[in-house]
Amino acid sequence: DVLMTQTPVSLPVSLGGQVSISCRSSQSLVHSDGNTYLHWYLQKPGQSPQLLIYRVSNRFSGVPDRFSGSGSGTDFTLKISRVEPEDLGVYYCLQSTHFPNTFGAGTKLELK
Amino acid sequence: EVQILETGGGLVKPGGSLRLSCATSGFNFNDYFMNWVRQAPGKGLEWVAQIRNKNYNYATYYAESLEGRVTISRDDSKSSVYLQVSSLRAEDTAIYYCTRSAGAYWGQGTLVTVSS
Repeated sequence: DVLMTQTPVSLPVSLGGQVSISCRSSQSLVHSDGNTYLHWYLQKPGQSPQLLIYRVSNRFSGVPDRFSGSGSGTDFTLKISRVEPEDLGVYYCLQSTHFPNTFGAGTKLELK
Repeated sequence: EVQILETGGGLVKPGGSLRLSCATSGFNFNDYFMNWVRQAPGKGLEWVAQIRNKNYNYATYYAESLEGRVTISRDDSKSSVYLQVSSLRAEDTAIYYCTRSAGAYWGQGTLVTVSS
C-alpha cells in the first residue's frame, strides 16, 4: 500500500496567519494517464469531510483562493493564507492513484 | 443540488452482517465512480471500497483490511450504491460515508456499532 505521511499532526495558528501542511507518499502518485491523484479535505468538528483541492492544485467549487495546493511526484503541500475561524478542523490528504486508496493521518489546525 | 444519503447502520453483534445503502440525487449517477470511506470514533479516514461505472465494467476495488468481508455494488436505475459487510468485528465500528468520485461530495454517514 502507498503510505501517506502527513505532517505536522497538530498546527497551532493565529487568525490571519499562514500555514502549510505536508503530505509525502511512499511512491510516486503520477498515474499512467499522466495525472496525479492527490487531494485535500477539511473535516470540521461534527461534520463530514469536504473537498478543498483535487489533483494537487485545483480548488473545488466554492473554495476560497486562500487555499492552494502544490507539489509533484511524492511531495505535496497545502497552504492556507489569512486563516479564518471556519478553517479550523482536521485536514487530510488522499491519494487515489493507486489501489488501495490511502489517506494521510490528518493535521489538526487549531488556534494558538 | 447533489445529495447523498447513507442508511442501514446500527448495532450489530460480532460475526453479524449489515448492508449499507447510499441513495444519491442531483447528478448523473451513471457517469461517476462511487466510494465508501469509514471513520472509527476519534480516528482518521479510511478508504473502504470503490465501484466504477458501466464504462469501466463496474470494476470494484477494496481495502485489503476488509477484502473478503465486503462487497460494493450499485444500481444505476436507483442512483444508489451499497456496501455489504460480513463477519463484523469490533474494529469495524465506524461512521461509514458514501462519496462521489474523489470525495467531491459526501453524505452525512451512517454509524455502524459492532458490540455484543
